Amino acid sequence: AQKVTQAQTEISVVEKEDVTLDCVYETRDTTYYLFWYKQPPSGELVFLIRRNSFDEQNEISGRYSWNFQKSTSSFNFTITASQVVDSAVYFCALSEAKGSQAGTALIFGKGTTLSVSS
Amino acid sequence: DTEVTQTPKHLVMGMTNKKSLKCEQHMGHRAMYWYKQKAKKPPELMFVYSYEKLSINESVPSRFSPECPNSSLLNLHLHALQPEDSALYLCASSQDRLPVNTEAFFGQGTRLTVV
Repeated sequence: AQKVTQAQTEISVVEKEDVTLDCVYETRDTTYYLFWYKQPPSGELVFLIRRNSFDEQNEISGRYSWNFQKSTSSFNFTITASQVVDSAVYFCALSEAKGSQAGTALIFGKGTTLSVSS
Repeated sequence: DTEVTQTPKHLVMGMTNKKSLKCEQHMGHRAMYWYKQKAKKPPELMFVYSYEKLSINESVPSRFSPECPNSSLLNLHLHALQPEDSALYLCASSQDRLPVNTEAFFGQGTRLTVV
């Protein structure tokens, strides 16, 4: 079973549209960490946000916002007023403190390819 | 400085060649990682070094040999690779070995093609 599910394989939007990227995770740990990374065509994985399991406060950073809901095991990412430069693959990832894959660093979802056209 | 530097950026090698990928960070991080990423797939963990010691080997074939000469450097030695080993190889580092409340920073990767 997938630990991190990103059900949206590809999303296409037009500039200035808002877009939400979904992430659902699975863990039995009470302590875990969730991440979002952006991977532009250049290949580098760019860190966007880290959230620990005890901090359900939503976060906003400029046009980016994150909605963490433990009740639904979701950690969704919204880009407001999207821009062409937002085009990239976005990965949600999980790091568990004690789970069956403890110590395996980051468990990535399959990624969502976002294409923003002008 | 949150930079992880990988060299070379591109590498083409024959199946009988020996080559090395290099990774460097100067953030004082004590954990470093190698990931392999095939096209349109997520990164897959290969190796984890913690305090310069190999702590995780995700059943990687012996034709991939990691080395951590010091806390800032991580190498991946390649020998007798197969065409299916062609991929983007990503290096990452974190303050301490995940899972802890810290993030991993990634380099731009080395795009490896085995011919």
